[in-house]
Amino acid sequence: NAGVTQTPKFQVLKTGQSMTLQCAQDMNHEYMSWYRQDPGMGLRLIHYSVGAGITDQGEVPNGYNVSRSTTEDFPLRLLSAAPSQTSVYFCASSPGGLAKNIQYFGAGTRLSVL
Amino acid sequence: EDQVTQSPEALRLQEGESSSLNCSYTVSGLRGLFWYRQDPGKGPEFLFTLYSAGEEKEKERLKATLTKKESFLHITAPKPEDSATYLCAVQARDTGFQKLVFGTGTRLLVSP
Repeated sequence: NAGVTQTPKFQVLKTGQSMTLQCAQDMNHEYMSWYRQDPGMGLRLIHYSVGAGITDQGEVPNGYNVSRSTTEDFPLRLLSAAPSQTSVYFCASSPGGLAKNIQYFGAGTRLSVL
Repeated sequence: EDQVTQSPEALRLQEGESSSLNCSYTVSGLRGLFWYRQDPGKGPEFLFTLYSAGEEKEKERLKATLTKKESFLHITAPKPEDSATYLCAVQARDTGFQKLVFGTGTRLLVSP
């Protein structure tokens, strides 16, 4: 049971570098989301998708891009990394229908921007 | 603005010592309140969803309850393996189903 898989687990970037955080799920879930988790703050929604080809902004979208070309994959792109983007990033997926509100999380990517 | 406040921030219990965690919320019409467990270095793991005041859900030593202003997570006779951070989140009725507002969590440590 793979569930939601995030890669890499750890990453260090220099200010201004770009990178893509990968997220894949094998549960055929329609909905996928990206969150960031910072000390003293709750998880905050960055972007989400309700299906292939459909994405929307969450609470803190600035500096991040997403796309959803397949049901399985939902990559998060940092265009020009800044120290303020140092955080732990979680990808989540949820099924449609009555269970759509239950989100299943990956193990996270720990990102440091120097 | 929808808000979630969890208390206490941290709680230390002896094995077998029952207690409760609190989640106070303000939301413009509640669609659902969620409890998650998060172990160090891992992603949150779903525990319960509560939809209306008076509702209760149980799972092993955990029981979640809901009123119009707060939710409690009761832990009965906890064991060391219950040590984790417990997160509460709400979803408002007038927002998309994806938009959860999370609290900052309660870190629970259960000592043998």
